[in-house]
Amino acid sequence: AQKVTQAQTEISVVEKEDVTLDCVYETRDTTYYLFWYKQPPSGELVFLIRRNSFDEQNEISGRYSWNFQKSTSSFNFTITASQVVDSAVYFCALSEGSGAGSYQLTFGKGTKLSVIP
Amino acid sequence: KAGVTQTPRYLIKTRGQQVTLSCSPISGHRSVSWYQQTPGQGLQFLFEYFSETQRNKGNFPGRFSGRQFSNSRSEMNVSTLELGDSALYLCASSLQASSYNEQFFGPGTRLTVL
Repeated sequence: AQKVTQAQTEISVVEKEDVTLDCVYETRDTTYYLFWYKQPPSGELVFLIRRNSFDEQNEISGRYSWNFQKSTSSFNFTITASQVVDSAVYFCALSEGSGAGSYQLTFGKGTKLSVIP
Repeated sequence: KAGVTQTPRYLIKTRGQQVTLSCSPISGHRSVSWYQQTPGQGLQFLFEYFSETQRNKGNFPGRFSGRQFSNSRSEMNVSTLELGDSALYLCASSLQASSYNEQFFGPGTRLTVL
């Protein structure tokens, strides 16, 4: 069965610091998809990025970057020069390409990030 | 383009009652999924519908059920409510029937069971 672990429950950083959110996943499928979502205090989950298991290329989007390493089953998320608006709960999620794990997202427990001005 | 809408946004019920939550997906999206979010268990998958068919179901008791209509709108029903059913219920829609597609979430319905 698939599993996603976000070991960091809460992180506090001072504004402008860099911060990395860790995500480790487990799956037996060779085809799978990894996602990051942001949940601000309003409650609505906001999609940030999707990665498939065949694409290990790292991605950068503005202050956000993602490091996908199949060898360690990790998909870590880094925010550079953090801002107060980055304060939210961040979820890593996994969707398998086939079988019972498909058509559903398995989420980690989330990491609550607080950026202090 | 309007996002995923969920109604009602807040609901208070008592134990033993039943409740129906509604979700309208993004126009053109045919897949609708439901998730339950609680402080203890986090985000857990309930079920997923595509073209009015339930394709996958999470590990929840039979008291939790759902359906999807021909216009892709979906409802979920919880019968014989228990205190532990208090949660934020999130609906998500995606364009196609594929694990690849990102899911777009609605604002959720916060259910409180007294």
